[in-house]
Amino acid sequence: DSGVTQTPKHLITATGQRVTLRCSPRSGDLSVYWYQQSLDQGLQFLIQYYNGEERAKGNILERFSAQQFPDLHSELNLSSLELGDSALYFCASSIGTAGNTIYFGEGSWLTVV
Amino acid sequence: KNEVEQSPQNLTAQEGEFITINCSYSVGISALHWLQQHPGGGIVSLFMLSSGKKKHGRLIATINIQEKHSSLHITASHPRDSAVYICAVRNNAGNMLTFGGGTRLMVKP
Repeated sequence: DSGVTQTPKHLITATGQRVTLRCSPRSGDLSVYWYQQSLDQGLQFLIQYYNGEERAKGNILERFSAQQFPDLHSELNLSSLELGDSALYFCASSIGTAGNTIYFGEGSWLTVV
Repeated sequence: KNEVEQSPQNLTAQEGEFITINCSYSVGISALHWLQQHPGGGIVSLFMLSSGKKKHGRLIATINIQEKHSSLHITASHPRDSAVYICAVRNNAGNMLTFGGGTRLMVKP
C-alpha cells in the first residue's frame, strides 16, 4: 500500500459527460502529480501541484483541469469526454517538488462509451 | 524518436534466469526511476537513481549519466516478477517524468 488513495477505482460514463477523479496523497506529502495511461500513448504526465499551487504542466488537454485543496487532496476534472479519454488515470505524491521518491495510487479506470 | 527508449519491449524468461532491461534517454535529467506495474494496474516505484548503482533484494539498477543509459537487472528471476517494468526520467527542474514504453516481462516456472 503506497498510502496514496484514489477514487473511484472504476468509472464508466458517456461521451460529452464530465467526471471528477479524486486523490488523497500520502500523509505529509505536499506534491501531487496526475498521469494518464492509455493503450496507444502509454504513460503521460498531466500536471503537478505543490502545496496548493500548480507547479508543472504536461500533456493536459484544455478540457481537463485539476486543483489541490488546502487539505492537500487533489481532484482531476475531465469534461466533454471523448472515447479517446478512456484510460487509467494515476495520481502520485511526493514530499517535495524534486528529488524525492514518487508514490503512486492504484489508479482510476475511466471508460467512456 | 522518443526521449526515453526501453528494450526489449517483451521478454520471456525461465525461472531462475538473470534478466536485464535497458533504458536509454536523450534529454538532460535530474534522476531516473524504475517502476513496476502489475497486471492489476498499480505502479510501484522500485528505484530512483541519479548516479551509480542501487540494489534491493534481487533487483539491481545502474545508471551511466555520460552514456545516458540505465539498466535494471533481476537475479534469480521468479514468476512473481512477471510485470511491466517502466523507466521514467525526471527533468532537470525535477517536476516532470517522461516515461519509456515499458518492458513486459513474463517469467515461466
